[in-house]
Amino acid sequence: DAGITQSPRYKITETGRQVTLMCHQTWSHSYMFWYRQDLGHGLRLIYYSAAADITDKGEVPDGYVVSRSKTENFPLTLESATRSQTSVYFCASSENAGGNYGYTFGSGTRLTVV
Amino acid sequence: DQQVKQNSPSLSVQEGRISILNCDYTNSMFDYFLWYKKYPAEGPTFLISISSIKDKNEDGRFTVFLNKSAKHLSLHIVPSQPGDSAVYFCAASARGGSNYQLIWGAGTKLIIKP
Repeated sequence: DAGITQSPRYKITETGRQVTLMCHQTWSHSYMFWYRQDLGHGLRLIYYSAAADITDKGEVPDGYVVSRSKTENFPLTLESATRSQTSVYFCASSENAGGNYGYTFGSGTRLTVV
Repeated sequence: DQQVKQNSPSLSVQEGRISILNCDYTNSMFDYFLWYKKYPAEGPTFLISISSIKDKNEDGRFTVFLNKSAKHLSLHIVPSQPGDSAVYFCAASARGGSNYQLIWGAGTKLIIKP
């Protein structure tokens, strides 16, 4: 199906473990984004990518790693999970970075670090 | 330092009446503003946007007003319907430059009462 899909939908992991959240889009959008949503903070940008092999830090990149070897995939890795990384993570894609076409979001991954 | 503020965490409105959601910003470089709607367990969906060269944009039941001098924008929903119950996020961007990102408010939960 066309769209943007995130997996898994829910994940519980232990402190110190590495975990990877997957994001796949079928529109061939150039831009992809990872956000985290926490109560009282709205959405905060972790990393974004303007094209394959081009990534850049957002507002809260510490503790996260991204890669984009293919246009359609943009995985987010927590190298050593901490409790402060418990959050809901959203992936988004867009034709451009300017926001005037809107971003299309996935359904999110709820991550709990225990 | 929150550059985009939604000061009302929640708002309750009677079905059929007008819902008014407010958003304030501090960065005078913002030139594009967007509203997103989010249902539980889903990603945000783009609702309506406005460029800083306009003071009003309308799309069906949804109208966004921008007051640049007051650095304030509002989303009006008329008439409010039960399906409008959701969390609404305001977001802003300053296009141009190499480090692009949307800045998001914390969201307002709209509850439409029957």
